[in-house]
Amino acid sequence: DVKVTQSSRYLVKRTGEKVFLECVQDMDHENMFWYRQDPGLGLRLIYFSYDVKMKEKGDIPEGYSVSREKKERFSLILESASTNQTSMYLCASRPYRTSKQETQYFGPGTRLLGL
Amino acid sequence: GEDVEQSLFLSVREGDSSVINCTYTDSSSTYLYWYKQEPGAGLQLLTYIFSNMDMKQDQRLTVLLNKKDKHLSLRIADTQTGDSAIYFCAESFDGNKLVFGAGTILRVKS
Repeated sequence: DVKVTQSSRYLVKRTGEKVFLECVQDMDHENMFWYRQDPGLGLRLIYFSYDVKMKEKGDIPEGYSVSREKKERFSLILESASTNQTSMYLCASRPYRTSKQETQYFGPGTRLLGL
Repeated sequence: GEDVEQSLFLSVREGDSSVINCTYTDSSSTYLYWYKQEPGAGLQLLTYIFSNMDMKQDQRLTVLLNKKDKHLSLRIADTQTGDSAIYFCAESFDGNKLVFGAGTILRVKS
């Protein structure tokens, strides 16, 4: 089974702190994604990566950066956390294949609190 | 731009059928997905349908696609309390960029 793990289920941070959210997948997937989930808004794509050291902006990249130094790990960084970044953060991965119906596999999420 | 809309809440009695509806705007969507999110968990793919199909059935799940009206529905037969969750509709052209609806909270009353 594909497994996508996120380093924390809950994180409590203060406004202005630097926050790291880590995601690891064990299926050698090329593509990895970071979303945030907010009530009434569904999931919105922050950043994604097609390969090591490659990244592309999603729909809401402002206030975030990412790092992909190893294939299995994709990190989301909040340089200076703000109150409007209180949210649930979901990581996903997907193999790069020609069959387009291959789905994204999601981690359990990290809820960022206390901003 | 792309947009996916769902009703936010549905309440049904155990044993009844549930129908969750979704509309989308991107006519180039190739794949349409239904995901389930149980409390405290990530998203789990329930089923998907190609845009050239009208219907797909998988055990208690039936997906109907009206491409002309850009309308997608998920029917859950014999709804159980374990089906209580948030259900997300999503569309994609290539499986990478997914556009999600806001999610429908399904509450099953015993």
